[in-house]
Amino acid sequence: QQPVQSPQAVILREGEDAVINCSSSKALYSVHWYRQKHGEAPVFLMILLKGGEQKGHEKISASFNEKKQQSSLYLTASQLSYSGTYFCGTRTADSWGKLQFGAGTQVVVTP
Amino acid sequence: SAVISQKPSRDICQRGTSLTIQCQVDSQVTMMFWYRQQPGQSLTLIATANQGSEATYESGFVIDKFPISRPNLTFSTLTVSNMSPEDSSIYLCSVEDRGVEQFFGPGTRLTVL
Repeated sequence: QQPVQSPQAVILREGEDAVINCSSSKALYSVHWYRQKHGEAPVFLMILLKGGEQKGHEKISASFNEKKQQSSLYLTASQLSYSGTYFCGTRTADSWGKLQFGAGTQVVVTP
Repeated sequence: SAVISQKPSRDICQRGTSLTIQCQVDSQVTMMFWYRQQPGQSLTLIATANQGSEATYESGFVIDKFPISRPNLTFSTLTVSNMSPEDSSIYLCSVEDRGVEQFFGPGTRLTVL
């Protein structure tokens, strides 16, 4: 079942912060975050495994709350290069590696 | 991380024809996946391709329409058969590396006229 992402879109000025949420109705084994720029393939940002760890990639970090079956991606002090569509992919324990992707969150960072 | 290449990068095809997309990885991987991304949409899994076994298809996708081969641990093909304009999409292969991380190839942009 497809995870639910929110918001659908966000517009930021350079330097502002944003949070993207991803929630699932199923118990999750891992959450994968990707960024896709127009005309390009999705680029892997980070993976969060069951255990509640928090990770970071540049000034982008994420958390994973197993009990709530949700993950959040934090864009801190956003840069123009952060513009793109962010997708979360979720994996359950019995999915044999298959990821279900959310609908995506379009992020536009303006000067 | 694994380096993934796809051929062709894009193609324009006529209705009723077939196209075979190749996915090459620079290292041996167990799990390979094929996704479709329709314009402005999310990523939808077509099938899982594991070496030495038949591909496993997701609901809504059938082998006759999307036959897959996986002859070894570094290569896979996806064929889009008897194409219609509704098959116009980006087709992406992905691989599972380092145990759990998944990386995407550059994609094949298909337009069916």
